[in-house]
Amino acid sequence: GENVEQHPSTLSVQEGDSAVIKCTYSDSASNYFPWYKQELGKRPQLIIDIRSNVGEKKDQRIAVTLNKTAKHFSLHITETQPEDSAVYFCAASDSGYSTLTFGKGTMLLVSP
Amino acid sequence: NAGVTQTPKFQVLKTGQSMTLQCAQDMNHEYMSWYRQDPGMGLRLIHYSVGAGITDQGEVPNGYNVSRSTTEDFPLRLLSAAPSQTSVYFCASSSGVEAFFGQGTRLTVV
Repeated sequence: GENVEQHPSTLSVQEGDSAVIKCTYSDSASNYFPWYKQELGKRPQLIIDIRSNVGEKKDQRIAVTLNKTAKHFSLHITETQPEDSAVYFCAASDSGYSTLTFGKGTMLLVSP
Repeated sequence: NAGVTQTPKFQVLKTGQSMTLQCAQDMNHEYMSWYRQDPGMGLRLIHYSVGAGITDQGEVPNGYNVSRSTTEDFPLRLLSAAPSQTSVYFCASSSGVEAFFGQGTRLTVV
């Protein structure tokens, strides 16, 4: 089955800095890579996703890049704000039925 | 729209008891799934369904049963609760694109 590794497990940045979270996956059949943000005590919420036929996708301060050859994808957050503080999860899907394999999460702390 | 609704939000069980976690969605999504979230482990797939009457096992299915008699509902049954099943459980539904999560059920087994 699929295996997703996520790094780092914690990331502390100053407000206004950029943050990068990296994930690798094992199954070359995976074709969908979402990123979720989870605030304390809340449900995971999709912030951005990318499919295997696209190399990069941006949405305002958030971008995701995908390298299929190396089997890794990354989340980039620019101009970080304190409200970006949360746990971020990457995931991969190879089933086509939206069953996701998650990384173990990155706790992002943005200090004012 | 309510989206994905889970009940209860909190539950305490004694070892050996059984219970059902409820999940309902009103988006007419074909695909539904159950995940458990443990500290430092991310979310792990328990069971999933690709439509009414069709279910399959995920990564950690032992100790759990599911059924899907309607498109809307996907209950998760704990047959004989164990302390190792203490976790936060999330139900999700999808049309095959984005997955939407319920608000979660925090289960403690003592």
